[in-house]
Amino acid sequence: GAVVSQHPSWVICKSGTSVKIECRSLDFQATTMFWYRQFPKQSLMLMATSNEGSKATYEQGVEKDKFLINHASLTLSTLTVTSAHPEDSSFYICSARPPQGGYGYTFGSGTRLTVV
Amino acid sequence: GIQVEQSPPDLILQEGANSTLRCNFSDSVNNLQWFHQNPWGQLINLFYIPSGTKQNGRLSATTVATERYSLLYISSSQTTDSGVYFCAVETRGAQKLVFGQGTRLTINP
Repeated sequence: GAVVSQHPSWVICKSGTSVKIECRSLDFQATTMFWYRQFPKQSLMLMATSNEGSKATYEQGVEKDKFLINHASLTLSTLTVTSAHPEDSSFYICSARPPQGGYGYTFGSGTRLTVV
Repeated sequence: GIQVEQSPPDLILQEGANSTLRCNFSDSVNNLQWFHQNPWGQLINLFYIPSGTKQNGRLSATTVATERYSLLYISSSQTTDSGVYFCAVETRGAQKLVFGQGTRLTINP
């Protein structure tokens, strides 16, 4: 149980285009989901907290207009990288915490974005 | 915010060796997790351990919350244990995980 699915696993896009990444909780409902970014050989940095039915909460330094987050249902959050540039190339990972206690947070398999 | 420090940053061992990874944190936590990130980037949840000791096969973990540290033990290492091990904590009221910088473990055959 407690599976988070992320799609796509990898994507290559041209500079200036937008890319959407989906994060789904498969066997539980998640009112809150989290989006992280990881650069090569670095740790995971929280970008934003996605709240079902309301606006996302962004961490300091993260551009709201570039990274659009939508959490329209209890099992789906999406991250759209708008007008992507090569510096947005990174590994993006989503996370959610199942409501049942004693397990902690579970993570999707990540999306490797390359902007050319 | 809370600081999470992991040591050592890098560890190279021969197959069959034992290892201890450490995670220090600067404030009280209500959640601590250990993850293994494999070469494809997938984060595998090893332990949810805000306090106490747990064991799962060759791996075990101990968190001493009052002294603000956690240890991950790997015994009889195998090459498949290679990867990056992350410690992540959640403080009371924060409802988000903060990650340490990780320990990169390499197990040579």
